[in-house]
Amino acid sequence: AQKVTQAQTEISVVEKEDVTLDCVYETRDTTYYLFWYKQPPSGELVFLIRRNSFDEQNEISGRYSWNFQKSTSSFNFTITASQVVDSAVYFCALRSLSGGSYIPTFGRGTSLIVHP
Amino acid sequence: DAGVTQSPTHLIKTRGQQVTLRCSPKSGHDTVSWYQQALGQGPQFIFQYYEEEERQRGNFPDRFSGHQFPNYSSELNVNALLLGDSALYLCASSLGGDSYEQYFGPGTRLTVT
Repeated sequence: AQKVTQAQTEISVVEKEDVTLDCVYETRDTTYYLFWYKQPPSGELVFLIRRNSFDEQNEISGRYSWNFQKSTSSFNFTITASQVVDSAVYFCALRSLSGGSYIPTFGRGTSLIVHP
Repeated sequence: DAGVTQSPTHLIKTRGQQVTLRCSPKSGHDTVSWYQQALGQGPQFIFQYYEEEERQRGNFPDRFSGHQFPNYSSELNVNALLLGDSALYLCASSLGGDSYEQYFGPGTRLTVT
């Protein structure tokens, strides 16, 4: 069974603060993908990043960075110098690559509110 | 390049009724997945259609059914609606029967009264 836990239900910060969104996952599979999505109020999930279980390199994309640690089963997401436009719900998701099942499992999401 | 589109945007139905939601995939995509997102929850996978067949199914009852047309567009049908079916229904498109890279539509907000 797969499980994704996003323990932070809501985070509130002031613009220009750095913020880290936590994601902890559980899977018995050795090969899998991890994802982060952003869901603005419009409702459409926007893909941010995909990471496979063999690649533990951290990644930086502009103000966004991701820290993948297999030893702790975590895939955390940091936004540097947050902006009001970053306000959204962020979802972490896991998808196994084995067993022929491609059903993704999403966490419950973290609502990020960035105040001006 | 047209993205994923869904219709209608909002829908209000009465318990016991039936509903049909529609999805057109991103141009060039041949696979459609449907998700149910209850308020305050993450999306839950309902099923995926590829080559006009249901290829994967999540833990949803048979009241949830679907169809994919030759042009790759898809419909989600829900029979005998329950209050608990109230949710945002998201459609995602991808290529080749996989969900490796999915593009999501804006969703249909279904309210069951």
